[in-house]
Amino acid sequence: KAGVTQTPRYLIKTRGQQVTLSCSPISGHRSVSWYQQTPGQGLQFLFEYFSETQRNKGNFPGRFSGRQFSNSRSEMNVSTLELGDSALYLCASSLDSAGSTDTQYFGPGTRLTVL
Amino acid sequence: AQSVTQLDSQVPVFEEAPVELRCNYSSSVSVYLFWYVQYPNQGLQLLLKYLSGSTLVKGINGFEAEFNKSQTSFHLRKPSVHISDTAEYFCAVINQGGKLIFGQGTELSVKP
Repeated sequence: KAGVTQTPRYLIKTRGQQVTLSCSPISGHRSVSWYQQTPGQGLQFLFEYFSETQRNKGNFPGRFSGRQFSNSRSEMNVSTLELGDSALYLCASSLDSAGSTDTQYFGPGTRLTVL
Repeated sequence: AQSVTQLDSQVPVFEEAPVELRCNYSSSVSVYLFWYVQYPNQGLQLLLKYLSGSTLVKGINGFEAEFNKSQTSFHLRKPSVHISDTAEYFCAVINQGGKLIFGQGTELSVKP
């Protein structure tokens, strides 16, 4: 089975721009979660989608949004980029809702650099 | 609210030596605990998880962890490390809201 894939792997943007990151979960997985990883804040939960609905949300501003499609693929959007948005964005998928104890499988991440 | 504290930010160790990476959690309800490993430039990989039952959990790559309810700990151990174990290790707990909450991570550096 193919693992979780994320595209692009690397991205460079400038302040004020917007960006869309994509995540394809493992086949059959219906839950997709997004995390932001930075040296200062560590791994922080952004949001979780399950069957096209946002089930959980972390403490991030409204500039961070996401969606999930009927094939469980998910996209994450960040508008009006700030320097502090530079981070590794990780996507994880699981069979059921991430609130269950199902194992979350992580993708390799998208490294976003904001200049 | 559940939280996780990893007591060591960096752990240097020589090859073939034993290692323990410490993790303490705070929770007033049932806990589900995880250890993940992140190799350079990669995502996270599950090493092991504790949901219920036996307090000694065995994982991949020779790692194991012991759930200790009285000490609210879930320390990760390996009796003999290899150079290839050099990575960052994260302890995590699922909170009541269903979110996976991670500790700050421990960088394990295995030296020859």
